[in-house]
Amino acid sequence: AQSVTQPDIHITVSEGASLELRCNYSYGATPYLFWYVQSPGQGLQLLLKYFSGDTLVQGIKGFEAEFKRSQSSFNLRKPSVHWSDAAEYFCAVAGTGTASKLTFGTGTRLQVTL
Amino acid sequence: EAGVAQSPRYKIIEKRQSVAFWCNPISGHATLYWYQQILGQGPKLLIQFQNNGVVDDSQLPKDRFSAERLKGVDSTLKIQPAKLEDSAVYLCASSLVPRSSDTQYFGPGTRLTVL
Repeated sequence: AQSVTQPDIHITVSEGASLELRCNYSYGATPYLFWYVQSPGQGLQLLLKYFSGDTLVQGIKGFEAEFKRSQSSFNLRKPSVHWSDAAEYFCAVAGTGTASKLTFGTGTRLQVTL
Repeated sequence: EAGVAQSPRYKIIEKRQSVAFWCNPISGHATLYWYQQILGQGPKLLIQFQNNGVVDDSQLPKDRFSAERLKGVDSTLKIQPAKLEDSAVYLCASSLVPRSSDTQYFGPGTRLTVL
């Protein structure tokens, strides 16, 4: 069965500092990988997704993520964090079969200090 | 383009009462999902519809939860009777096609509190 681990429950960074959120997945082959962001009182919004090809994926709002097969990781990065980036971030994995569903991690809450 | 609509946004009920949530997906999206998000956890899929047919309801507690998607557009999720552990945010999402690679678009959710 597929699974996702987000080891950091809560991260605090200063505005303007760089950010890296960790995500490790478990799946028998190369999966589809996603990062979603959830702001308070709002639904989840897709930041980026990886299917195949280039292992560095660019997303919206200046985010990027790198797929590393050898480490089973898909970490999310941003070079300079803005106060508006404060939110909960979820990594998710889906298998490549037609019946595969999306499995989410437990999330990382990002706090940005001014 | 209008997003996924859900109502109500908040609901407070007592245990053993019943409750229903409504979802209207993005126009043209054939696939609709209901997720349960318990505080401190990621969303967990409850049920997936393709048009008005059920694709996956393996994690739906069928003794108390039911869902329907008549006419293949909007959907309702019902809990009867509710238990304390049903307190959660219920998210509806939709996608154009049922492929696992397709982007799912989420509504704002309904926050349910069971007292």
